[in-house]
Amino acid sequence: AQSVTQLGSHVSVSEGALVLLRCNYSSSVPPYLFWYVQYPNQGLQLLLKYTSAATLVKGINGFEAEFKKSETSFHLTKPSAHMSDAAEYFCAVSDPGGYQKVTFGTGTKLQVIP
Amino acid sequence: KAGVTQTPRYLIKTRGQQVTLSCSPISGHRSVSWYQQTPGQGLQFLFEYFSETQRNKGNFPGRFSGRQFSNSRSEMNVSTLELGDSALYLCASSLGTSGSNQETQYFGPGTRLLVL
Repeated sequence: AQSVTQLGSHVSVSEGALVLLRCNYSSSVPPYLFWYVQYPNQGLQLLLKYTSAATLVKGINGFEAEFKKSETSFHLTKPSAHMSDAAEYFCAVSDPGGYQKVTFGTGTKLQVIP
Repeated sequence: KAGVTQTPRYLIKTRGQQVTLSCSPISGHRSVSWYQQTPGQGLQFLFEYFSETQRNKGNFPGRFSGRQFSNSRSEMNVSTLELGDSALYLCASSLGTSGSNQETQYFGPGTRLLVL
């Protein structure tokens, strides 16, 4: 069975500071990994995804994540936080052999302090 | 290009009733997935439909069912509602190319169901 663990249900950063949201995965096969963002009262939007190509993945809104097999991690980073980044972020994993069956982490709420 | 639409956006039901939620995917998308989001359990996969066939299913009781029509629109039905079914139900669509799990899923805004 595959799973992801997001460390920290709430993270606060100052505007302009580095954003680091942690995600560790567990999978018996090389996984596909995703980061989604959810704004209040909205659905999820894909930020980026890793599908066994380049280990450093660049996404939208200046976010990127690096797949580290040795650490079973897929942490999300952004060099400089913006107020508009305040939202809930979900890490997710899927089995390449499974059709769209995605397992989500519990989410991390990002607060950006002006 | 219109996004994924879900109707209704909000719904209030009482225990024991049944409910049907609707999802219209992005034009050209043939795969529709459903998810339940609750504060306690987080986001959980319900099922996925492709070309009117259920292709994948999560760990939910039989009270949760779905179907997909020839135009790829999908409905989800929950019978004999329980208080614990109160949740945000999200629908996502993708092209659904057979054998590919790399495709991006596009999510709708969700239907918020409250069971009293």
